[in-house]
Amino acid sequence: AQSVTQLDSQVPVFEEAPVELRCNYSSSVSVYLFWYVQYPNQGLQLLLKYLSGSTLVKGINGFEAEFNKSQTSFHLRKPSVHISDTAEYFCAVSTKAAGNKLTFGGGTRVLVKP
Amino acid sequence: EPEVTQTPSHQVTQMGQEVILRCVPISNHLYFYWYRQILGQKVEFLVSFYNNEISEKSEIFDDQFSVERPDGSNFTLKIRSTKLEDSAMYFCASRETPGTSGRRPLEQYFGPGTRLTVT
Repeated sequence: AQSVTQLDSQVPVFEEAPVELRCNYSSSVSVYLFWYVQYPNQGLQLLLKYLSGSTLVKGINGFEAEFNKSQTSFHLRKPSVHISDTAEYFCAVSTKAAGNKLTFGGGTRVLVKP
Repeated sequence: EPEVTQTPSHQVTQMGQEVILRCVPISNHLYFYWYRQILGQKVEFLVSFYNNEISEKSEIFDDQFSVERPDGSNFTLKIRSTKLEDSAMYFCASRETPGTSGRRPLEQYFGPGTRLTVT
């Protein structure tokens, strides 16, 4: 079974400052890794994914994440946030098993302040 | 851009009543999922569905739950006798199967969710 831990439940950050959201996972098999964003009163939108290859993954809206196998981490970063980045961010993993269900972390609420 | 749609956006029901949540996945997708998110908690997997049968289900998905693809476009989640603890946001998702495009289509596309309130 897989599990995902997002260490920070809330991250306040000033506009134009950098932000890093931490994600650690555990799994006995190889995983695929995802970051989803949920804006207020909306569904989940994929920011980026790691399937294989380069460990640095670039996504939409200027976000990037780095897969670190030895530390079982997949931290999300953005060098300069905007007010519009205020949202909840979910890290998720899936495996090659049939169905590829997603296992989510608890989420990190990012509040961007002017 | 094609998207997953869900109806209704909000459903209020009394405890013990049956509810059916509806989803229209993206048209060329063949894997379907239901997840739920209780207020303030993480998103949890309920069930996956492929080739007209359940491929995996979680412990949450007990006998009170069922899924169906009644026609070529809809994918439904039925809760037979709702409980207060079923109150949550329910998300439908779909994805392609490998080989249907030039990349590995592992991305699940989520609908906007149905907020179920059981009173």
